[in-house]
Amino acid sequence: GNSVTQMEGPVTLSEEAFLTINCTYTATGYPSLFWYVQYPGEGLQLLLKATKADDKGSNKGFEATYRKETTSFHLEKGSVQVSDSAVYFCALTNFGNEKLTFGTGTRLTIIP
Amino acid sequence: NAGVTQTPKFQVLKTGQSMTLQCAQDMNHNSMYWYRQDPGMGLRLIYYSASEGTTDKGEVPNGYNVSRLNKREFSLRLESAAPSQTSVYFCASRLGAGSDVTQYFGPGTRLTVL
Repeated sequence: GNSVTQMEGPVTLSEEAFLTINCTYTATGYPSLFWYVQYPGEGLQLLLKATKADDKGSNKGFEATYRKETTSFHLEKGSVQVSDSAVYFCALTNFGNEKLTFGTGTRLTIIP
Repeated sequence: NAGVTQTPKFQVLKTGQSMTLQCAQDMNHNSMYWYRQDPGMGLRLIYYSASEGTTDKGEVPNGYNVSRLNKREFSLRLESAAPSQTSVYFCASRLGAGSDVTQYFGPGTRLTVL
């Protein structure tokens, strides 16, 4: 079955630092890959997605590239801000599959 | 466009009480989902509805029932609440299989069972 493994947290960085949150997956076929973000006390918001190999998703300065050869979808940002403090979830689904498989989430805290 | 809305935002129940969590979407989506979120476990699928009139079990359906009332609304019922059902519940929707597979989430309901 499908599974998602993401970097254990919590992660604490200083403002303007470079961010990487690792995500690797196991899936049949060609899944679509997602990063969701959950700000304190809120629901999940779609941050970015990629639907085929070598696609790069980007939004709000965050990027992730769909690497089929390494089954990875690592989240990166060049310069984080305090407002990026949140929990980040990597997820995947297959074409024709109703189910979204999530990683366990990575809590990110940015200190001024 | 409100997107996906959920009521209530917070609820405290005693063991054995029942309640229904409401979810509605205004995006004309075909598929709707209920998840629970527990610390260190990510989100787990409880039930889903691929289209109006159909429902199916997810990973953790025990202790829950669902109703797809119409295309817009998908409710989750706890018939006899247990402390193990203390969690944050999220509803989600997506356009439907075979098209954009992105799921959009509501703000959540935080449930405590004493």
